[in-house]
Amino acid sequence: DIQMTQSPSSLSASVGDRVTITCRASQSISSYLNWYQHKPGTAPKLLIYAASSLQSGVPSRFSGSGSGTDFTLTISSLQPEDFAAYYCQQSYSTPMSTFGQGTKLEIK
Amino acid sequence: EVQLVESGGGLVQPGGSLRLSCAASGFTFSNYDMHWVRQSTGKGLEWVSTIGIAGDTYYPGSVKGRFTISRENAKNSLYLQMNSLRAGDTAMYYCVRRAHYYGSGSYYYYMDVWGKGTTVTVSS
Repeated sequence: DIQMTQSPSSLSASVGDRVTITCRASQSISSYLNWYQHKPGTAPKLLIYAASSLQSGVPSRFSGSGSGTDFTLTISSLQPEDFAAYYCQQSYSTPMSTFGQGTKLEIK
Repeated sequence: EVQLVESGGGLVQPGGSLRLSCAASGFTFSNYDMHWVRQSTGKGLEWVSTIGIAGDTYYPGSVKGRFTISRENAKNSLYLQMNSLRAGDTAMYYCVRRAHYYGSGSYYYYMDVWGKGTTVTVSS
């Protein structure tokens, strides 16, 4: 099975900060990597697919990069509504899939 | 509006069974593969099962042989039959649409629409 490891597990930041979350795969997954945002009590939301493609309707302050085993999600200027948990997901072995353990982004 | 609404969650004893349902609307349900994904309290997201448009099914080892995913296209509905439930199955269960993008000679799959979830608690 492909393991996905995110870092950090939690992160404190302020509105306006630039934030980067990292996701590492246990083997090369090319660009088969997606990012999701999840707020408590709501449905998870797709942000980025195919490592760097922005989902329709997602603000341009979100961006994704990487290929192979190392990937990043960047929020260029944090907004109050961005405080949430973020998950990466590999779709290389689709339909079987694995997620990272998540990164909880909190207000400093 | 594209929407997925789960139902059927509840409290069940260890070893018991439960059937979850998901009602889809706002899109042509029969044209999409569908997933179930769960999240235990304080933990991350875990893929539970997938059903293709042709009825092919897929499971991780943690639920294989205990859970069965099915669909009824005429009713725009997805189901998850869960048997031999364990405490470790306690989680919020999400119904999810599988979508894809074709680029650079490859299909890239992702989960583009999620329901709000239904809670399953396995406890005596």
